[in-house]
Amino acid sequence: AQSVTQLDSQVPVFEEAPVELRCNYSSSVSVYLFWYVQYPNQGLQLLLKYLSGSTLVKGINGFEAEFNKSQTSFHLRKPSVHISDTAEYFCAVSAASGGYNKLIFGAGTRLAVHP
Amino acid sequence: KAGVTQTPRYLIKTRGQQVTLSCSPISGHRSVSWYQQTPGQGLQFLFEYFSETQRNKGNFPGRFSGRQFSNSRSEMNVSTLELGDSALYLCASNDPGQGNTEAFFGQGTRLTVV
Repeated sequence: AQSVTQLDSQVPVFEEAPVELRCNYSSSVSVYLFWYVQYPNQGLQLLLKYLSGSTLVKGINGFEAEFNKSQTSFHLRKPSVHISDTAEYFCAVSAASGGYNKLIFGAGTRLAVHP
Repeated sequence: KAGVTQTPRYLIKTRGQQVTLSCSPISGHRSVSWYQQTPGQGLQFLFEYFSETQRNKGNFPGRFSGRQFSNSRSEMNVSTLELGDSALYLCASNDPGQGNTEAFFGQGTRLTVV
């Protein structure tokens, strides 16, 4: 079984400042890792994913994440945030053998960007 | 290509009633999964259907059921509704056979049980 821990429930940050949203996972099998963003009253939109290969992955809207197998982490970063980045962010895992449509999510991190 | 479409967007039901939610996946996607999102429990996997067969199931009571049709459209049903079933229900579709390596989500159906 897999589990995901997002270490911060809320992260306040000023506009143009850097931000890191932390995610740790637990699994006894190989996993795929994802970050999704959810805006109010919307579904989930994929920001980026790690399947294999390079541990640094780049996504949309200037976000990137680094897969660290030894620390079982997949932290999300952005060097300079905008007001429009205010949303809820979810880290998710799926077992590599189970495909991409059985996702285990973390509790979410609410990013609030202030002017 | 049209995205994942969920209907209805909003629904209000009374305790004890049953409800059916619908999900039309992206054209050609054979896998449809359902998730429940609540403030207390977060996002939880309900079940996955692939080519009309349930392939995976989460840890939900038998009141939650689903099915998938030959055109890949899926429905989920909740019987004997409880107040705690109030949630945003999200559907996601995928088809690795098409080279997809992510799940595409619909906008959800917000169910309120009163």
